[in-house]
Amino acid sequence: DVKVTQSSRYLVKRTGEKVFLECVQDMDHENMFWYRQDPGLGLRLIYFSYDVKMKEKGDIPEGYSVSREKKERFSLILESASTNQTSMYLCASSIRTAGYGYTFGSGTRLTVV
Amino acid sequence: TQLLEQSPQFLSIQEGENLTVYCNSSSVFSSLQWYRQEPGEGPVLLVTVVTGGEVKKLKRLTFQFGDARKDSSLHITAAQPGDTGLYLCAGAENYGQNFVFGPGTRLSVLP
Repeated sequence: DVKVTQSSRYLVKRTGEKVFLECVQDMDHENMFWYRQDPGLGLRLIYFSYDVKMKEKGDIPEGYSVSREKKERFSLILESASTNQTSMYLCASSIRTAGYGYTFGSGTRLTVV
Repeated sequence: TQLLEQSPQFLSIQEGENLTVYCNSSSVFSSLQWYRQEPGEGPVLLVTVVTGGEVKKLKRLTFQFGDARKDSSLHITAAQPGDTGLYLCAGAENYGQNFVFGPGTRLSVLP
């Protein structure tokens, strides 16, 4: 069964900590995405990558960075966590074809205290 | 960035009832997708529509893409408790690979 795996389901971090969220997919997909999901706001794109070593800013990249050293792994980094980054974080992947659907991970619910 | 609106925001119905939820935008989409998300899980793709006026059926779910490719609807016949979840629409412009998501319709089907 193909899947996108996010390393943690729940995380609690302190303000100012550096936080790493890991995402691994086993489908050999070229594209990978990081979204955050907040009630009433839907999914908002943070960063995406169409290839190894490649990254592009999404709609809300401030306070985040990403790393894609291998095709299957896409990491989201919160350089200095803040309380307004408390959210559900979703990783997704897709093939490099326009209009193709996303496969999502189960999400990481991050709480910054 | 295009804005997607979904209505209603919340819907609570009894098992066996029919329902329709809507996804609207001022933008034209090259493709539009519907996802269902259950609590504590990521969204799961239900369908992709690409042609204006297209209708797709998935068991009791019927999806329609508007003629102008700016809107879509999802109709569920004889809803079941297993249909409970957050229904998200997502659209891509200009045959792009990135989708913008609407805020979702939260459906609750009571037994």
